[in-house]
Amino acid sequence: QVQLQESGPGLVKPSQTLSLTCSVSGASISKSVYYWGWIRQPPGRDLEWIGYIYYTGSSFYNPSLKGRVAISVDTSNNQFSLKVNSVTAADTAVYFCVTVGMARLEFDSWGQGALVTVSA
Amino acid sequence: DIQMTQSPSSLSASVGASVTITCQASQDITNYLHWYQQKPGQAPKLLIYEASNLQTGVPSRFSGSGSGTHFTFTISSLQPEDIATYYCQQYDNLPITFGQGTRLEIK
Repeated sequence: QVQLQESGPGLVKPSQTLSLTCSVSGASISKSVYYWGWIRQPPGRDLEWIGYIYYTGSSFYNPSLKGRVAISVDTSNNQFSLKVNSVTAADTAVYFCVTVGMARLEFDSWGQGALVTVSA
Repeated sequence: DIQMTQSPSSLSASVGASVTITCQASQDITNYLHWYQQKPGQAPKLLIYEASNLQTGVPSRFSGSGSGTHFTFTISSLQPEDIATYYCQQYDNLPITFGQGTRLEIK
């Protein structure tokens, strides 16, 4: 089973950029049959798909984030990252990194989640 | 975007009871639907893929059915460890969308 671990600042100021990294073990990002993705969940609310990327750099994002999102891969460190710019309080959420099955787009492995709070 | 509507939003049932949750899609999604279980303070866990297929290691009391726009998720004999929120997810069209969740409690 693939193991995932999110890391990054837990507090971000409004209008700044949220940055998270997901460290992958148990699989090689560049030799895998997965996409690598991010999902978020505001406190007490529902799940929202953010986007996913293949190791080649091909990526897909949720239009609801209005182009503020970028996901990248670092194959040398077996990690992938999320950036959300121009954040507001509405971006406060637990952010999960996930594996995404290529055939069925199922979220099979999940990180434990990282709470990011947007506040001055 | 495809809207996924789950019902009920919350549910209370006794240990041993059969429990059914429904998920309605705003358009035909064939069988491109998965079900997840999220226990408090944990990440979601994939239980059912492609509407009716049990993920490896998931107890057989969990099942799913449906196609098109109407889907059901059933726990045949509720156990105390099944306390969780359950979500459906469609992948017929991007963006991937989830239902709003069904919170399950023990009576």
